[in-house]
Formats: sequence, structure tokens, C-alpha cells
Amino acid sequence: EEQLVESGGDLVRPGGSLTLSCTASGFSFSSYWMTWVRQAPGKGLEWVANVHGDGTVKRYLDSVKGRFTISRDNAKKSLYLQMNSLGAEDTAIYYCARDLDIKMGEIFYDVFDLWGQGTVVTVSS
Amino acid sequence: AIQMTQSPSSLSASVGDRVTITCRASQGIRNELGWYQQRPGKAPKLLIYGASTLHNGVPSRFSGSGSDTDFTLTISGLQTEDFATYYCLHDYDYPRTFGQGTKVEVK
Repeated sequence: EEQLVESGGDLVRPGGSLTLSCTASGFSFSSYWMTWVRQAPGKGLEWVANVHGDGTVKRYLDSVKGRFTISRDNAKKSLYLQMNSLGAEDTAIYYCARDLDIKMGEIFYDVFDLWGQGTVVTVSS
Repeated sequence: AIQMTQSPSSLSASVGDRVTITCRASQGIRNELGWYQQRPGKAPKLLIYGASTLHNGVPSRFSGSGSDTDFTLTISGLQTEDFATYYCLHDYDYPRTFGQGTKVEVK
């Protein structure tokens, strides 16, 4: 069964750091881009960052650029999100998702077709 | 960044109803748009990509249409399990942005 399991969420003080992990199983992890999406309490979804299957290309939401680092270890089938200088605005459920490219005609459609259950990050003093 | 505006933000409906949710992009995105369903306390699930292509296993009562800036998700014959929040998401460029969500509630 294809599965993603996040871990590492915690209560952290403002200005603190935290690293989230996402472990994949049941599919060829290194073949896929992977993404982090977050959801603040009672709010909508927000794309945070993604990383190419070989780890060489990374993209970030502007508000986390310079503070968050996405990375992966394909041997461990794991995705990470290192978060520094955390603020209250980073309080959210963090989901990892598999980022699948589907080619139809000349266009590649980028979809999040497999999601983890989420891990909760709370930034508070 | 491209802004995605969904409407309505919430709606009340009954089982069997036809429900329509719209999503408007702040610039043209061809048909590079997906729809996701999120039930309370659960992770989102992919419903539709390419504006109109149903993902594997998604019931045919779900349909999508539109291109450029205006898109629609329609649920024809609402079922109990469809009461949820729905989000559009563009994949035209970075950053990816979601609509603010439409909550479908029981009337």
C-alpha cells in the first residue's frame, strides 16, 4: 500500500526551530517530486515547498524562503522540512504529499495524488 | 503570485442536489487547475486535474470545466460523503496557490 507518514510536529517557542519528517512506503520514492502543504487552524491550504526526485531542485513559498529548507534522503525514503525562526504564523498542520506529473498532450499537469495524515506544529510562548 | 478566488465560501445543500463551485484565477492559467476535497480532520484528496479530468476512482458525479481564468466544479447528485470543503489549486507556475475553500454543508 502506498503511504506517507509525517512526524516531528511539536510545540515550539517563537524564534525556535523544528524539523519535520515524512516517510514513504509502497512506491518508488526517488521517482517523484515531493511537496509540503500546510493548513493553519480553521484556515485553508497553503503550498509551502517542493523538491525534485533527485533533490537538486527546490522551490519555496516566499514567506518561508530563507527560513525553511526542504530536503530528502532517497535511501531512507524520507522527506524533511527544516524550519527555523518560527513565528506564530507558522502554526499549522503540515502535510507531505506526492507530487505527480501527468502528461496530456503537450502539457504536464502537476497533482498531489497521495497525502500523509499531517503533523501539528504549534508556535507559542 | 497568481491569486485563486473561490465562490461561494460556503453553501448549504441536500442529498441529491446539484452543487456548483467556481474558481477564478487572477491571470490565465490555461487548464492547469485541480480540485481537492477535504473532509473534517482528514488530509485533502485529489478529485480532478487538468480542469476536467477525473482522478482514478473519483465518482462520475464530480465534473470540472473551464479554462484560462474561470473554472467550475460540479457535483451532480450530492451524496452524504460529499459534505466537505473543496479547494481549487493551480499548477501553472510557482508558487502554487489554493483557493480559499468552499464548505459544502447540510441544509
